[in-house]
Amino acid sequence: DTGVSQDPRHKITKRGQNVTFRCDPISEHNRLYWYRQTLGQGPEFLTYFQNEAQLEKSRLLSDRFSAERPKGSFSTLEIQRTEQGDSAMYLCASSLGQGGDTQYFGPGTRLTVL
Amino acid sequence: AQSVTQLGSHVSVSEGALVLLRCNYSSSVPPYLFWYVQYPNQGLQLLLKYTSAATLVKGINGFEAEFKKSETSFHLTKPSAHMSDAAEYFCALLFSGGGADGLTFGKGTHLIIQP
Repeated sequence: DTGVSQDPRHKITKRGQNVTFRCDPISEHNRLYWYRQTLGQGPEFLTYFQNEAQLEKSRLLSDRFSAERPKGSFSTLEIQRTEQGDSAMYLCASSLGQGGDTQYFGPGTRLTVL
Repeated sequence: AQSVTQLGSHVSVSEGALVLLRCNYSSSVPPYLFWYVQYPNQGLQLLLKYTSAATLVKGINGFEAEFKKSETSFHLTKPSAHMSDAAEYFCALLFSGGGADGLTFGKGTHLIIQP
């Protein structure tokens, strides 16, 4: 069990650029979640997948945010036309896929928008 | 809508003293409740979870929490604090209807251990 991995761990970009983050869940996990965590706050749920189906995306912060999980394995989160307010830690988690299952978190990608 | 409130953004205790971190929730249906710990520059690690079985839940590293429906609380305790317990602690809630949404987190409590 290698755990949830995220790449990159740190990303510095200029305002207006597009960025993409990758998450690799625990191999047998069907569900994959994305969260955003800003300084001094708890994680905020963004979206989640059951296999390749995105079942909840109304919590995505704006239409500049999109996520995919094309083959039901890894997932990507893209932010287009980044703004300084997008600076945050982006966390990925995965779970087996049943109600109440523990979500296992990756180390996160820290985004800094200059 | 569900919500989680953690009382006290910072809690300071002496090494060896009791740790008590408070969490109150609001939910229209019986929730699943979780406590996670986050060390600097790391992801969240599960300490324990309540899933409607026993109301007293034991977790890792000597932590436990008690679900009290009448008080809508799920406070985290540890009898004797250790320096390694210094971290950020988050209480989180998930509807028992399961899976339609992600976890709803509190704002976190920063635990400081005084030597």
